[in-house]
Amino acid sequence: NAGVTQTPKFRVLKTGQSMTLLCAQDMNHEYMYWYRQDPGMGLRLIHYSVGEGTTAKGEVPDGYNVSRLKKQNFLLGLESAAPSQTSVYFCASSYEAGGIQETQYFGPGTRLLVL
Amino acid sequence: DAKTTQPPSMDCAEGRAANLPCNHSTISGNEYVYWYRQIHSQGPQYIIHGLKNNETNEMASLIITEDRKSSTLILPHATLRDTAVYYCIVRVATNTGRRALTFGSGTRLQVQP
Repeated sequence: NAGVTQTPKFRVLKTGQSMTLLCAQDMNHEYMYWYRQDPGMGLRLIHYSVGEGTTAKGEVPDGYNVSRLKKQNFLLGLESAAPSQTSVYFCASSYEAGGIQETQYFGPGTRLLVL
Repeated sequence: DAKTTQPPSMDCAEGRAANLPCNHSTISGNEYVYWYRQIHSQGPQYIIHGLKNNETNEMASLIITEDRKSSTLILPHATLRDTAVYYCIVRVATNTGRRALTFGSGTRLQVQP
């Protein structure tokens, strides 16, 4: 049971390039999330998904797109990277049991540097 | 979700109990108190959560005041590996809309040898 994994661990992009970050979970969780964390700050929600085929905007969605084609995968795309998107990106997943939102499990993070 | 207030930093001696406070004076009746921590460069890790009763698990204890306006996370025997940023988060456990966690600045706990 690997939990939540993220690919890649580190990436350097030039301004204007595109890339996709992959998040995978093997816990059969319904809900998945993408956060970003800037230096010295807390995490901010980018997008989230409450089930396969569904996505929704979070607190800071501009410049990002997401897809949830399979229940276990949640992809975060940057179509045209900007230096302001330099950050550490965390993926998380959770489930609901008996109407109670359970805790979130986080991946190890992807460090992105946009030059 | 209710706002929380935590001290920016705390020190603790290794082997001693670490008591991390959190104020949440605007908490509503259906909001839970969650604690997560983030060890440097890693993803946040769930520690414990509670509604109004004190809770204990293998990692920590959570003490919630009777009026629920504040709480304390207790690490009974802190080790160097407990050095991390600790986040106190107050949120509704069931929410058909936004389900994400709102992370504030947290408390940076430094465990000293």
